[in-house]
This record gives sequence, C-alpha cells and structure tokens, in this order.
Amino acid sequence: DGGITQSPKYLFRKEGQNVTLSCEQNLNHDAMYWYRQDPGQGLRLIYYSQIVNDFQKGDIAEGYSVSREKKESFPLTVTSAQKNPTAFYLCASSRGKTQETQYFGPGTRLLVL
Amino acid sequence: QKEVEQDPGPLSVPEGAIVSLNCTYSNSAFQYFMWYRQYSRKGPELLMYTYSSGNKEDGRFTAQVDKSSKYISLFIRDSQPSDSATYLCAMSDTGNQFYFGTGTSLTVIP
Repeated sequence: DGGITQSPKYLFRKEGQNVTLSCEQNLNHDAMYWYRQDPGQGLRLIYYSQIVNDFQKGDIAEGYSVSREKKESFPLTVTSAQKNPTAFYLCASSRGKTQETQYFGPGTRLLVL
Repeated sequence: QKEVEQDPGPLSVPEGAIVSLNCTYSNSAFQYFMWYRQYSRKGPELLMYTYSSGNKEDGRFTAQVDKSSKYISLFIRDSQPSDSATYLCAMSDTGNQFYFGTGTSLTVIP
C-alpha cells in the first residue's frame, strides 16, 4: 500500500530535550511538508521541501529543524528552543511541480513532561 | 485578513440531513481546491479535489467552486453518523504552499 507513515504516534519530551519525528512516504512524491495543528488554529506550516537536499521555512519554523537526505524521508526535529511544542504534528506530501493536492500521514502527538 | 476563512461551527444535524460546508478566500490566484475530512486524533483524509471552477460529485459528496465569488462549498447528502468529523478546506495557487481553513466540526445525530 502506498502512503505516508509517521512515527511515533505519541512522543514525550522533557525540558531541554531535542526530539525527532519521523515521516516516510512511498508515493514517489517530490514535495514534503510539516504542519503543526493546535485546537482552533488550523494547520500551520513549519517547513517544506520541494526536492532532496533542499527545504524552506514555513510560517512557524523557529525552534524546529529538518533534513531531506532522501526523497522518501523528511524528519522533523523539535529543538529545546521551541518553548511550546505540545501539539499534533502532521506530515504531508504532494507530487510533481503543480502540486495540486496533498496527502497526509496519521500524525504524531507531542507532549511535554 | 486570513487567506482562507471557514466557519468553525460546531454544526449539528440529524441523520439523513443535507449538510453544507463553506469557505471563502481572498487570493484570486488559487486554482486547486480541496476538502479534507479529519477524525479526532487522525491525519486529514483527502475527500474531494477540484481544479478551477465548477462542480464535482463523488457519491454523497459534491464540491462546488465559484471563483468569481471566491467561495467554495462541500455538500453532504443523506448524512450519516460516520460523517461526524472536522472538515478542512484547502487551496493552492500551484506555488509552494497550500492554504487551509481552520476546519468545521460536524456532528450527525442518529
């Protein structure tokens, strides 16, 4: 089955700790995205990548970092600089240059201990 | 002004009712329009996708785009309790980003 997988489903972060969220897709999509979802605020774009080894900041990139070493993978690191990391994190991908639509993974819920 | 405006609801309807969900937008360059369904604590699922203006039907779901009014709608006929979810509209101008509404929470009461 083609799709997007995210792991873990739940993640707990201690103060001052960096944590990494995994996102993998086997849809052969060129572009990948990370969003943060908070209640009542909709989806906010953190980072996106159009091609391997290239990525751009979204609206709320501060306190986050990404890498795109492989087409299939786009991990997101939530650093200690992100002071309010508790949220639902969604990874998405889209194909081609027109990028007419996006497909989402199941999400990772990050909680702070 | 936000790029995309969507009434958050909540919307509550009896089973079998016709549901109308709407979004307005400000950017006339948007060409691709999507509706996603999101169940609680799950990722959004693509429900409908429309290019430019017009209608698109898929089973009980109909998506409408009126570019002249910058207004899109999703209609759900014969609504079922399993349709209870949050519905997100989204759109793109074929650039690098997609723009989302905040979502409308729908409950279908048996």
